Amino acid sequence: AQSVAQPEDQVNVAEGNPLTVKCTYSVSGNPYLFWYVQYPNRGLQFLLKYITGDNLVKGSYGFEAEFNKSQTSFHLKKPSALVSDSALYFCAVTLGTNYKLIFGSGTRLLVRP
Amino acid sequence: NAGVTQTPKFRVLKTGQSMTLLCAQDMNHEYMYWYRQDPGMGLRLIHYSVGEGTTAKGEVPDGYNVSRLKKQNFLLGLESAAPSQTSVYFCASSPQGDYSNQPQHFGDGTRLSIL
Repeated sequence: AQSVAQPEDQVNVAEGNPLTVKCTYSVSGNPYLFWYVQYPNRGLQFLLKYITGDNLVKGSYGFEAEFNKSQTSFHLKKPSALVSDSALYFCAVTLGTNYKLIFGSGTRLLVRP
Repeated sequence: NAGVTQTPKFRVLKTGQSMTLLCAQDMNHEYMYWYRQDPGMGLRLIHYSVGEGTTAKGEVPDGYNVSRLKKQNFLLGLESAAPSQTSVYFCASSPQGDYSNQPQHFGDGTRLSIL
């Protein structure tokens, strides 16, 4: 069965420092991977996706993620964090054969000034 | 550009009551989804639809029913509400095509409390 793990409930980082939010997945095929962000009292917003090709994908708001097939990981990164990046981040996976996204449990990012 | 609109935004029900949550999208998307979000559990798929007149079960369908009579609307029904259905409900939609690589667009959620 497909699954997604976000091992950190919360990540704390100082503004201006690089940030990483971790995601690992388990699927029985080639995955399509997504990152979404959720601000308070709002729905999820799409950040970026990996379908195929270059392992480093760039997305909205300066975020990027690296697909690592051998480690089955898709960590979200940003070189310099902003206070406004503070939010809840979700990793999600699906196979190319169905419509269902499987979400991780979410990681709360707190960027302190 | 409204995107995905959910109605109502908040609701409190008593155990055993019924209600319908409405989702409307103005992007002409073929696919629509209902999720519930609970603390520490991410989002779980309740039901989804791949087109007008079609619905299918997701990961946690028990206690819920859905209908997609019009392409732009996707309704989620609770026939007899239970406290375990207290949650935040999100509707999402995505376009046709290679559906697996199209991002989903989410509404802002309905916060439902069952007493």
